[in-house]
Amino acid sequence: DAGVTQSPTHLIKTRGQQVTLRCSPKSGHDTVSWYQQALGQGPQFIFQYYEEEERQRGNFPDRFSGHQFPNYSSELNVNALLLGDSALYLCASTYSGDTQYFGPGTRLTVL
Amino acid sequence: GESVGLHLPTLSVQEGDNSIINCAYSNSASDYFIWYKQESGKGPQFIIDIRSNMDKRQGQRVTVLLNKTVKHLSLQIAATQPGDSAVYFCAENIEDSSYKLIFGSGTRLLVRP
Repeated sequence: DAGVTQSPTHLIKTRGQQVTLRCSPKSGHDTVSWYQQALGQGPQFIFQYYEEEERQRGNFPDRFSGHQFPNYSSELNVNALLLGDSALYLCASTYSGDTQYFGPGTRLTVL
Repeated sequence: GESVGLHLPTLSVQEGDNSIINCAYSNSASDYFIWYKQESGKGPQFIIDIRSNMDKRQGQRVTVLLNKTVKHLSLQIAATQPGDSAVYFCAENIEDSSYKLIFGSGTRLLVRP
């Protein structure tokens, strides 16, 4: 049984560019959340997707957007990248509000 | 691998000893709490959870204690092993009104052989 998978593993972008990160939830899960983890800190909630809609959003600007597909996989898009967007981006999946299980993350570096 | 946290509080224990990791949570309305373990270069891994109607829950080699009066959570690891070395985060949630987990700042556990 595959757990949560994310791609790519690492990504390097320059300021002003746009990036798309991808997540496949754990088998049987229908809900995907995205978190940003800066170095030395705990993960910060970006938003959660359920039934292909954004269900809850954290304190992140509109440059951060997402999408959920009918197969429950999800994308995180970040526009107009800033240096401060450099972080580990984590995807977590769950079923029916149960425990959230995390993927390995995508390390984004903005130069 | 990459370092999860460079300036985190650190707990150093001898292999075989018991470890206690503490966490103060922020919201008195929180009613669901989770401990995660994060190894370098990996995502957080679920360890154990507890709801606010309990004050203690045990798993395999781990025990979580919840003190709602002082908003304090602790994780006890029995017979600590080298593989337990990681950063440990507590997370809180308000189950009926929020889907997001709010994470603490983390504690690095180092196990001395």
